[in-house]
Amino acid sequence: DQQVKQNSPSLSVQEGRISILNCDYTNSMFDYFLWYKKYPAEGPTFLISISSIKDKNEDGRFTVFLNKSAKHLSLHIVPSQPGDSAVYFCAASAGGSNYKLTFGKGTLLTVNP
Amino acid sequence: EPEVTQTPSHQVTQMGQEVILRCVPISNHLYFYWYRQILGQKVEFLVSFYNNEISEKSEIFDDQFSVERPDGSNFTLKIRSTKLEDSAMYFCASRVRDSLGEPQHFGDGTRLSIL
Repeated sequence: DQQVKQNSPSLSVQEGRISILNCDYTNSMFDYFLWYKKYPAEGPTFLISISSIKDKNEDGRFTVFLNKSAKHLSLHIVPSQPGDSAVYFCAASAGGSNYKLTFGKGTLLTVNP
Repeated sequence: EPEVTQTPSHQVTQMGQEVILRCVPISNHLYFYWYRQILGQKVEFLVSFYNNEISEKSEIFDDQFSVERPDGSNFTLKIRSTKLEDSAMYFCASRVRDSLGEPQHFGDGTRLSIL
């Protein structure tokens, strides 16, 4: 099941720089997209989301961009901090499906001091 | 901040035994979910539950699996006769209402190890 793909298993950035995490999807029925952050031995923590009627949503240092025609979304973290080091999951849901989430495999972000 | 609580954090069980994983969702949430993550693989949807019944289940969720909300606070996942391939992290999630823009909130998971 490759409906949600995160093609970069890992990303390393310097503290203070921008982190850009990417996600692609194939199911055109998806209308709600979320990013979760996960630390070891913890569950996914909700970070930010975007619905398909928008192309950008911002919350503090985190911005999610959605390009529906390309079926692509990205998460920008500016400025990156060492505490942002975690696995980031992209997830998507379709409204008629009880909002069950389909996840990508995750990207391990490492922010170096 | 309210959170989803899962117990136990780690469960070790012999193959063929029954296991019950427990979850306490956030108190005003109405929609409940179980997911699992086999080591090295994606987080996968198992089942969604609303109004005391299953609203959707995946092909993984076969007759060996069941869910229950026995009282106003707990939400359980039971595996009747465990198999080696059931070894995974199991995550419970809850959601306040069925509308776009409401995220699911996850517990810290139960690591299930089948021997």
